[in-house]
Amino acid sequence: GENVEQHPSTLSVQEGDSAVIKCTYSDSASNYFPWYKQELGKRPQLIIDIRSNVGEKKDQRIAVTLNKTAKHFSLHITETQPEDSAVYFCAASTGGNKLVFGAGTILRVKS
Amino acid sequence: DAGITQSPRHKVTETGTPVTLRCHQTENHRYMYWYRQDPGHGLRLIHYSYGVKDTDKGEVSDGYSVSRSKTEDFLLTLESATSSQTSVYFCASVATGGTGAGEQFFGPGTRLTVL
Repeated sequence: GENVEQHPSTLSVQEGDSAVIKCTYSDSASNYFPWYKQELGKRPQLIIDIRSNVGEKKDQRIAVTLNKTAKHFSLHITETQPEDSAVYFCAASTGGNKLVFGAGTILRVKS
Repeated sequence: DAGITQSPRHKVTETGTPVTLRCHQTENHRYMYWYRQDPGHGLRLIHYSYGVKDTDKGEVSDGYSVSRSKTEDFLLTLESATSSQTSVYFCASVATGGTGAGEQFFGPGTRLTVL
């Protein structure tokens, strides 16, 4: 079955710097790759997603890139702000409209 | 938050007792999921449903059962709770068409402690 690995597990950046989180997946049939943000004590919420027919997608300060050949995808956050501090999860689709999630990255933005 | 709620939000129970968690969505979503969240493991799928009375196992289904008698409700039952089932439980739902997986909307979570 699908396996998703996410790195790093924790990331500290200075306010205004960029943050990059990387994920690799194992199933070449996966075709949907969402990123979720979870603030402390809250539910995960989708921040951006990408499908396998697209190489890059941007939404204001966040972007996701996908390399199908290497089977990895990355989340890029530019001009980080304190409110970006949260846990970020990547995921990859698998059969039956299911998702397999990475273990998560704790992002801390220091002001 | 896509009209998805969970009850109870917090529960403390003792080892060996049965526990049922409820997920309710008002979006008429076809697919519903139960996950558990533990530190260092992300979100792991317990069971999912692809329609009324249609359910299947996820990667960590041992010790759990589910039922879906109506589109809007998805129940997760721990037949005999164990301390290893202490976790935060999230349900999710998605209305997916013929184009594959789509955005999953999550409920607020249930914090379960098994003593």
